[in-house]
Amino acid sequence: EAAVTQSPRSKVAVTGGKVTLSCHQTNNHDYMYWYRQDTGHGLRLIHYSYVADSTEKGDIPDGYKASRPSQENFSLILELASLSQTAVYFCASSPTGANTEVFFGKGTRLTVV
Amino acid sequence: GDSVTQKQGQVTLSEDDFLFINCTYSTTTYPTLFWYVQYPGQGPQLLLKVTTANNKGISRGFEATYDKGTTSFHLQKASVQESDSAVYFCAPRGKLIFGQGTKLSIKP
Repeated sequence: EAAVTQSPRSKVAVTGGKVTLSCHQTNNHDYMYWYRQDTGHGLRLIHYSYVADSTEKGDIPDGYKASRPSQENFSLILELASLSQTAVYFCASSPTGANTEVFFGKGTRLTVV
Repeated sequence: GDSVTQKQGQVTLSEDDFLFINCTYSTTTYPTLFWYVQYPGQGPQLLLKVTTANNKGISRGFEATYDKGTTSFHLQKASVQESDSAVYFCAPRGKLIFGQGTKLSIKP
């Protein structure tokens, strides 16, 4: 029933390694987002996409890449994971841009060691 | 540019206390604001929205209002319960930004 599904839900990665976080939505929404949550910083936008095969930079894109191979799927890629990228990552979707409600997944807790 | 601020990082109350939290959003246009709630282990979900035109939004016992004089949005509830323990975010409509969040803890 969950409309935005993230995998994995938790991951431990080594510094310098490659990490891929996956997101799948069944909302039939055009917009998808990746946010990062750190204690005291709320939610910060990393990348977003409004159509398949196209991605846009958010507020904190450095060190991250995104891929939108289809309307349903949106991935976040850390080519060289660093300690500072330890955080909880949320994927979300919305039918249009930020004018409407945004639907979030349950999050992925990433720990880089 | 636009900015949204939640100065109250954490609020601790007892059951049946009155809740009042703030969100300040500076903009040159008439704002609509969403309030999201994030329960432990979950992603944020929409709680309610408030517009300056309507001046009030109500959902699940929560009420959201807008004070034009201070450009502040307020989220309030008359009597909080332990199940209201969560983080509350404000998010301006039309922007992909969220406030820093206010963590509400309820003492049983």
